[in-house]
Amino acid sequence: KAGVTQTPRYLIKTRGQQVTLSCSPISGHRSVSWYQQTPGQGLQFLFEYFSETQRNKGNFPGRFSGRQFSNSRSEMNVSTLELGDSALYLCASSVAGTAHEQYFGPGTRLTVT
Amino acid sequence: AQSVTQLDSQVPVFEEAPVELRCNYSSSVSVYLFWYVQYPNQGLQLLLKYLSGSTLVKGINGFEAEFNKSQTSFHLRKPSVHISDTAEYFCAVSATPSTGNEKLTFGTGTRLTIIP
Repeated sequence: KAGVTQTPRYLIKTRGQQVTLSCSPISGHRSVSWYQQTPGQGLQFLFEYFSETQRNKGNFPGRFSGRQFSNSRSEMNVSTLELGDSALYLCASSVAGTAHEQYFGPGTRLTVT
Repeated sequence: AQSVTQLDSQVPVFEEAPVELRCNYSSSVSVYLFWYVQYPNQGLQLLLKYLSGSTLVKGINGFEAEFNKSQTSFHLRKPSVHISDTAEYFCAVSATPSTGNEKLTFGTGTRLTIIP
């Protein structure tokens, strides 16, 4: 069974731009969660989607948004990029939520200059 | 809301020695507890989880953890470590689904370094 894939793996953007990251979950998984990992703040939960609906949301500004498609693939969008948005963005999928084992993708390394 | 404290940011251990990575949590509701491992330049992998039942949980790669509700702890242990265990270890907590707030909160991580 193929694992969680994230594209692109690396991205360099300029302040003020917007970016879209993509996550393809494991086949059959309906829950997709997004996390931001930085050296200073560690791993922080962004949001979770289940069957195309946002089910939980972390404490991030409205510049961070996401969506999930009918095939469970998910995208995360960050608008008006700031230097502090530089991070590793991880996507995780599971059958039905955090109580079930989450499988993480390798992440997208976003650098904002 | 839930929070997790990993008391040690770095733990150096000699190869074949035992190790314990400490984790304490705070929550006003029932929780699920997890340990994840992150190898360099990779995503996270689940080591083990506590949902209910026996407080001693066994995971992959010879790791185990014990849930202690009175001390709000979920320490990770391994009796004999190997070079390949060098990685970052994250403790995480989630409210149970019945609370409607099922999201993972991670600790700051413990970097385990195995010394040959």
